[in-house]
Amino acid sequence: QVQLVESGGGVVQPGRSLRLSCGASGFTFNENNMHWVRQAPGKGLEWVAVISSDGSNKYYGDSVKGRFTISRDNSKNTLYLQMNSLTTEDTAVYYCARDPLTIVVPAFFDYWGQGALVTVSS
Amino acid sequence: EIVLTQSPATLSLSPGERATLSCRASQSVDNYLAWYQQKPGQAPRLLIYDTSNRATGIPARFSGSGSGTDFSLTISSLEPEDFAVYFCQQRSYWPPTFGPGTKVDI
Repeated sequence: QVQLVESGGGVVQPGRSLRLSCGASGFTFNENNMHWVRQAPGKGLEWVAVISSDGSNKYYGDSVKGRFTISRDNSKNTLYLQMNSLTTEDTAVYYCARDPLTIVVPAFFDYWGQGALVTVSS
Repeated sequence: EIVLTQSPATLSLSPGERATLSCRASQSVDNYLAWYQQKPGQAPRLLIYDTSNRATGIPARFSGSGSGTDFSLTISSLEPEDFAVYFCQQRSYWPPTFGPGTKVDI
């Protein structure tokens, strides 16, 4: 069965960096585009970024553009999110999510990880 | 970006009752609308994609309808495990956006 497991969350000071990982299993990882979606405590869902199946195309939400970088290592079945210049507004649970479509277009998300909590606080 | 509005914010019903949740888009999203269920402490779960297609393993009591700017999710007869928050999401335009959610409680 499809499994997505995030790791790397924690407490970080404003202005610092953090890298999240998402390990995938149960499907052919290099065939799917992958996304990060976040949810601030008690709030709704916000799409963060997408990376194409081969890693050649990446798109970001305006609130993270220029600060966050999405990447993947298909040999390790792992998705990453490098988060730099963090602010308190970035405090959220970060989910990795699978995209079932074969091209990079706005997608829906058919499988989600359990989430990693990132708290930005001094 | 496309703004999605969901109504009502909270829906208080009993098991066995029918639930109808609404999602309205700020402009047409064609049929590119999905619905998710989220329970406390859990990740969202895909229920419906592209307006009316049930995701794998989703019971037939969940159905979606609509087009353009107005969409609905119907739960024909609420089971105890259906009490949760439901989000709609559009994939017609970048960035994909979500509605604020409707809480279905007992």
